[in-house]
Amino acid sequence: DQQVKQNSPSLSVQEGRISILNCDYTNSMFDYFLWYKKYPAEGPTFLISISSIKDKNEDGRFTVFLNKSAKHLSLHIVPSQPGDSAVYFCAASYFSGGSARQLTFGSGTQLTVLP
Amino acid sequence: NAGVMQNPRHLVRRRGQEARLRCSPMKGHSHVYWYRQLPEEGLKFMVYLQKENIIDESGMPKERFSAEFPKEGPSILRIQQVVRGDSAAYFCASSPDLSPLHFGNGTRLTVT
Repeated sequence: DQQVKQNSPSLSVQEGRISILNCDYTNSMFDYFLWYKKYPAEGPTFLISISSIKDKNEDGRFTVFLNKSAKHLSLHIVPSQPGDSAVYFCAASYFSGGSARQLTFGSGTQLTVLP
Repeated sequence: NAGVMQNPRHLVRRRGQEARLRCSPMKGHSHVYWYRQLPEEGLKFMVYLQKENIIDESGMPKERFSAEFPKEGPSILRIQQVVRGDSAAYFCASSPDLSPLHFGNGTRLTVT
């Protein structure tokens, strides 16, 4: 039962253009969402997060949008750079007392930014 | 401030052997999480520990897997009698509270 889904395994974008990565979730208890970037042979690196009380959060070139009614979030990268080429994971969590904030991850989207 | 340190980076074990994976959290972090990534999949939660306590092990297989986070020293993920299906990347993450987790670079376990 995949509670967090990233339906596009890969995405190619030209340098300088916008990259849009999508993520859908099914568990309505999720109230905190994160995006991580992962290079080969490294651990995931936190990029940006959003709480369910917001619908947008921006940090430099990265913006995350949350549509709670559609249970959908997206990550926008503008402008895209070749160094952004990596696997991007969407993750979601909710506070469940003793379980604190375990994360449920999507399966990832490989972004390739073409020079 | 050193990041989350995991060792070894690569571990090869024959079927039936034991695997021990170590994780030193970031300084000041008392929350440790272990995740497993199978090929072509996302990371799956295994266990959440605080010092000397297992808080949530709902993602751990019922047999052969155990985890600890002693008062002194690193957190250890132990897999007894490994099988080929245990081959995966195992990531440890730490946090000081509920803030976003900081991940180590993982241990890649290969069972031959």
